[in-house]
Amino acid sequence: DGGITQSPKYLFRKEGQNVTLSCEQNLNHDAMYWYRQDPGQGLRLIYYSQIVNDFQKGDIAEGYSVSREKKESFPLTVTSAQKNPTAFYLCASSNWTGGSFFGQGTRLTVV
Amino acid sequence: QKEVEQDPGPLSVPEGAIVSLNCTYSNSAFQYFMWYRQYSRKGPELLMYTYSSGNKEDGRFTAQVDKSSKYISLFIRDSQPSDSATYLCAMSGKLTFGQGTILTVHP
Repeated sequence: DGGITQSPKYLFRKEGQNVTLSCEQNLNHDAMYWYRQDPGQGLRLIYYSQIVNDFQKGDIAEGYSVSREKKESFPLTVTSAQKNPTAFYLCASSNWTGGSFFGQGTRLTVV
Repeated sequence: QKEVEQDPGPLSVPEGAIVSLNCTYSNSAFQYFMWYRQYSRKGPELLMYTYSSGNKEDGRFTAQVDKSSKYISLFIRDSQPSDSATYLCAMSGKLTFGQGTILTVHP
């Protein structure tokens, strides 16, 4: 089955720790995106990549980093510089004829 | 001004009602328009996408785009309790989202 897989589903981070969220797609899509969603709010764009080895900051990139070494993979690292990382993180991929698809999300909690 | 503005709701309607969800946008470069449905604690699910002005129908759902007015709508006919969710509009490019509208359909 084609789709987007995010892992883990739940993640706990200690103060001052970096954590990496995984996003893998087998849809052969060029573009991939990371969003953050807080309770009762819409999706805010963290980073996006339109092609391998290239990515751009979204609206709330501070405290986050990404890489795009392979077309299928777009991992997101939440660094210790992100002061309020507890949120629901969503990854999406897209082709250029429209239609963008999401993974099932990772819920990150700071403990 | 945000690039995409969505009627915030929330909306509460009786079962069987016609629901209208709306978004406006400011960037005329947007070419593709999408509607997503998101259930609580799940990833958004693509409902419809379109790239031209006019209507596109899929079952009980109709997406409408008016590029001259920079306005898109999603209509849900014969709404069901299972339609209760958050609905998000999105535009191509950076994949920019509206804020979402919470819809509740009560029996």
